[in-house]
Amino acid sequence: EAGVAQSPRYKIIEKRQSVAFWCNPISGHATLYWYQQILGQGPKLLIQFQNNGVVDDSQLPKDRFSAERLKGVDSTLKIQPAKLEDSAVYLCASSGRPGQAYNEQFFGPGTRLTVL
Amino acid sequence: KNQVEQSPQSLIILEGKNCTLQCNYTVSPFSNLRWYKQDTGRGPVSLTIMTFSENTKSNGRYTATLDADTKQSSLHITASQLSDSASYICVVSFPADSWGKLQFGAGTQVVVTP
Repeated sequence: EAGVAQSPRYKIIEKRQSVAFWCNPISGHATLYWYQQILGQGPKLLIQFQNNGVVDDSQLPKDRFSAERLKGVDSTLKIQPAKLEDSAVYLCASSGRPGQAYNEQFFGPGTRLTVL
Repeated sequence: KNQVEQSPQSLIILEGKNCTLQCNYTVSPFSNLRWYKQDTGRGPVSLTIMTFSENTKSNGRYTATLDADTKQSSLHITASQLSDSASYICVVSFPADSWGKLQFGAGTQVVVTP
C-alpha cells in the first residue's frame, strides 16, 4: 500500500512570495490533515478535512494560508504572502475511519519550507 | 501551556544501553495515547497506541506504559541501536466525537552513539 505522498520535499522562497504544497493521501482515506512543525516542536494542526469538507481550521492563519481538497482526494496548502515565521516542515497525514478510538494517522515525509 | 509535556528534551545513549522517555499530559478526557518515532527528514510513524484502560503496550524493543491516574506515560527503549536515533513524540488523542484530534508533545531527541 502506497503511503502519503507530498511535494515538493524542499522549498526556499523569499518573504512576501507565494508557495503551494501538494498532498496525495492513502487511497480510500476520508480524513486529511495539514500540520505545521517548527524546528524543535511537535506538529501543530492547521486544517482537517473530512472528504472535501473542513471540520477544523481553528489554527489556520486565514489571512495568509488557504487549503482545499479536490474531490475529496488530493489537497493543496497555499501560503500567500509568506513570512519569515512560516519557515517550518509542513506535514500531511491521512486516516481512514473518523470518530474511531484508534484513528490511526499516517504521515507523509513533509515539505521543508525556508523563508528568507 | 502545552497539554502534553515531554522530558528530557534530548538525550545521548551508548549503543546497547536502555533508556526511558517521559510524557505528562493534562488532556482529559482522552481517547488514547500514542508514541511516534520521527526520523530526521521523515514524517512521524506510530510505535504504540494505548487506550486509557491499558497499562502497557510493546512493539519489539519499544515498551510504552500508561498511568491514567497520574496522567503519565513512558517509553522504554531496550538494547538501543543506532537506528533508534530519532525524535520520539508523545501524542494524546481527544475523544472519538472530536474527529480524532491529536495533541502533540514537543518530542525527545534521542541520539545513540557507537
